Amino acid sequence: QVQLVQSGTEVKKPGASVKVSCKASGYTFTGHYLHWVRQAPGQGLEWMAWSDPGSGDTNYAQKFQGRVTVTRDTSISTAYMDLSRLGSDDTAVYYCARAGTVSGVPDALHIWGQGTMVTVFS
Amino acid sequence: EIVLTQSPGTLSLSPGERATLSCRASQSVSNNYLAWYQQKPGQAPRLLIWGASSRATGIPDRFSGSGSGTDFTLTISRLEPEDFAVYYCHQYESSPRTFGQGTKLEIK
Repeated sequence: QVQLVQSGTEVKKPGASVKVSCKASGYTFTGHYLHWVRQAPGQGLEWMAWSDPGSGDTNYAQKFQGRVTVTRDTSISTAYMDLSRLGSDDTAVYYCARAGTVSGVPDALHIWGQGTMVTVFS
Repeated sequence: EIVLTQSPGTLSLSPGERATLSCRASQSVSNNYLAWYQQKPGQAPRLLIWGASSRATGIPDRFSGSGSGTDFTLTISRLEPEDFAVYYCHQYESSPRTFGQGTKLEIK
């Protein structure tokens, strides 16, 4: 079945970087956009970025420009979200989510990973 | 950036009752690129409705979406115990994609 499996919990110090992975299975990895969304404890959902795993194209929310980088390794159907210069307000659950096909119209987020908890504290 | 405002913030109802959740956009969402998600504690969000009114795979027909332009509604016709959760609307018409702040549906 179609699923996204993310890497495990991370604990980081302020100023460090974190890299979260998202492994896709059950579908053609390069055929669908992947998005990254985060959720701080007790808060709502915040969109961060989308990527086209086939071309490598990315689009980042302005809030994260310069701090976030999304990459992928198509040989293992895995996407990565790297967030640098972490602060305490980056403590959150980070989700990857699959949208529609790269050749199609904009689409909602149909499939979600289980989430990766990132805690930033000194 | 399209700002989505959901109301009410919290809705207290009993099983069997009808729930109506609202999502208002700061500007028109073209092509009805508006989705609704359900999230339970400790779980990832689950897509309920896409394209403002199309149910996602496996979603019961007691969930329905309506609206266009700037005003959208999620209706749950008869609440089941498992429906008590937080609901988010989401526009995917333009970047940055945005979410509403959520409506918590709680048992009365």
